[in-house]
Amino acid sequence: EVQLVESGGGLVQPGRSLRLSCAASGFTFDHYAMHWVRQTPGKGLEWVSGISWNSGRIDYVDSVKGRFTISRDNAKNSLYLQMNSLKAEDMALYYCVKDTGRHNDAFDLWGQGTMVTVSS
Amino acid sequence: ETVLTQSPATLSLSPGERATLSCRASQSISNYLIWYQQKPGQAPRLLIYDASNRATGIPGRFSGSGSGTNFTLTISSLEPEDFAVYYCQQRSNWPVTFGGGTKVEIK
Repeated sequence: EVQLVESGGGLVQPGRSLRLSCAASGFTFDHYAMHWVRQTPGKGLEWVSGISWNSGRIDYVDSVKGRFTISRDNAKNSLYLQMNSLKAEDMALYYCVKDTGRHNDAFDLWGQGTMVTVSS
Repeated sequence: ETVLTQSPATLSLSPGERATLSCRASQSISNYLIWYQQKPGQAPRLLIYDASNRATGIPGRFSGSGSGTNFTLTISSLEPEDFAVYYCQQRSNWPVTFGGGTKVEIK
């Protein structure tokens, strides 16, 4: 089955860290760029970060630069997001998302999301 | 960044009616406009990419048009399963941005 399954979300205090993981199956993982997109009731959908198929190109939205790190392990068909110095505004449902190609920035497969709650 | 403005915020229609959703970009994005559908409790689903190309498995009643700054998603005859929230997204300019969504609800 073609799917993405996120894990690692939870409740964390401001300033602390969290690592999200995404397990991919059912497609050739190393043929595609991957992304993290988050969603909140207030701000809607927001692209957070993307990584090309070979990790040669990595991008972040300005609000997370220097705090978040995206990575992938093609041997394990897995995507990661290391989130440091978390802020209240990072609280959201985080989706692992598959690109339609090597780096097209169009998203044709989404996980069910993992919730990140930042609160003291 | 490129701001996408969707209108209307809510569209109240009956099954069988035609739905016309708008997405306007704050600067030209050529045809690099994508549409997604999201139902409650579910992740978004790709409908249309690059303004007018239906994604795999998307019914023919969904169509997209437009270029530059003005885009339209049309659902020719609403089915019960089409009542959902629709988002546009641009991939022309960094960073990727999404519109605020249009909710299509049953009248």
